[in-house]
Amino acid sequence: GDSVTQMEGPVTLSEEAFLTINCTYTATGYPSLFWYVQYPGEGLQLLLKATKADDKGSNKGFEATYRKETTSFHLEKGSVQVSDSAVYFCASGDSNYQLIWGAGTKLIIKP
Amino acid sequence: DVKVTQSSRYLVKRTGEKVFLECVQDMDHENMFWYRQDPGLGLRLIYFSYDVKMKEKGDIPEGYSVSREKKERFSLILESASTNQTSMYLCASSDLGAFDTFGSGTRLTVV
Repeated sequence: GDSVTQMEGPVTLSEEAFLTINCTYTATGYPSLFWYVQYPGEGLQLLLKATKADDKGSNKGFEATYRKETTSFHLEKGSVQVSDSAVYFCASGDSNYQLIWGAGTKLIIKP
Repeated sequence: DVKVTQSSRYLVKRTGEKVFLECVQDMDHENMFWYRQDPGLGLRLIYFSYDVKMKEKGDIPEGYSVSREKKERFSLILESASTNQTSMYLCASSDLGAFDTFGSGTRLTVV
């Protein structure tokens, strides 16, 4: 069946470092892809999304590009801040938007 | 601003109690979901509903039931709470063309 695999955490970086969190998916069709973020003590918020191959989603300095050839949707940010510390979830969605979730990656940014 | 509202942020219940977790959305979404989130396990789908009075089992329905009498409200019921149901519970709603929108979560502790 469909699945989403993302890199295990925690990922620990210093402020202003470059961030990559890897995400790959398997799907029978062409799902939409999402990154959600969960700040401490909160629910999940949509961070960005892409609905077709080669689309780039972006928000708050984060970017991810839908790569059909590598079945990937890696999350990147050029310069992270302490306030980016959170858990990041990659997900894929079918036409009815029932999402398949990755396990989540905890990101810790140190000042 | 569109919202998914969960009735409680924190709950403490005793083993064997019947527990109701309430979720209300104001977006007229067709689909509603209940997840639980545990460290290292990510999000796991308990139940979902595509329409009023309809329900479908997710990946871990055992020990839970749901009720959807009105489109905007989706209730999760723990018939007899147990300590292994201590978790963060997340409600979400979605619709065709709309991504999952989450509530802030209910952290349930069963003692």
